[in-house]
Amino acid sequence: ELKVEQNPLFLSMQEGKNYTIYCNYSTTSDRLYWYRQDPGKSLESLFVLLSNGAVKQEGRLMASLDTKARLSTLHITAAVHDLSATYFCAVDTNAGKSTFGDGTTLTVKP
Amino acid sequence: EPEVTQTPSHQVTQMGQEVILRCVPISNHLYFYWYRQILGQKVEFLVSFYNNEISEKSEIFDDQFSVERPDGSNFTLKIRSTKLEDSAMYFCASRKKGNQPQHFGDGTRLSIL
Repeated sequence: ELKVEQNPLFLSMQEGKNYTIYCNYSTTSDRLYWYRQDPGKSLESLFVLLSNGAVKQEGRLMASLDTKARLSTLHITAAVHDLSATYFCAVDTNAGKSTFGDGTTLTVKP
Repeated sequence: EPEVTQTPSHQVTQMGQEVILRCVPISNHLYFYWYRQILGQKVEFLVSFYNNEISEKSEIFDDQFSVERPDGSNFTLKIRSTKLEDSAMYFCASRKKGNQPQHFGDGTRLSIL
C-alpha cells in the first residue's frame, strides 16, 4: 500500500525566512501534486510534477521531484503572511487512486 | 473558470439514515473522485470513477457506500446507513486527464447525530 509522509506537520515561520517541506512516498510513481487548503476551504492545485527532476515555481513557492529518492520538496522563499495555509502533497497510482500526505500547516508570523 | 459544484453544503442526518451527496463535475472532465476529510485530519481517498465504472476504491469504501453518474452531469455518493464516524467533509473532484491536477468542489459537511 502506498504511503505518503510529509514533514514537518506543523511549521511556524517568521516573515522573510526560507523553509522546505518534504514529501516522501513509498512506491514508484511519477505523478505528484501539491495542493493548498485554507481553513474551512477546499483544496487548490499548486503544482503538478510528472517526471524525475521536474521543478516548478510560482511566486515564492518552488516544488521539485526526485522519483529515484521518492521525494518531493516544496520550498518557500521569503515567506509572507498570505502563505499561511495547510499544504498537502498527493501521489497517484496507475489505477487512479490519489494518496495524500498528512499535510503541513504553515503559519507565517510577522 | 469552470468549477466543480457540490450540494448541499451542509447535511445533518440521523444515524442509520441514508444520505446522497451530489456533485456536478466540470463538463469536459472524464475522471471523478470522492474524498473525505475528518475535521483537522488529512484528505482520504474514497473512490475513483472513469468510463462509467469504479476504477479504484479504498478500504473505507465498503458496502454502505455507492457512487452513480445517473446522467451526463451529476456524480453522486450514497451512504446507505450512516454511522457517527461518517461525520466529515466530503469533497468531490474531477480532472480531464489522468496526469492533470484534480479540481475540487467546496465540499459537503456531513454531520451524523
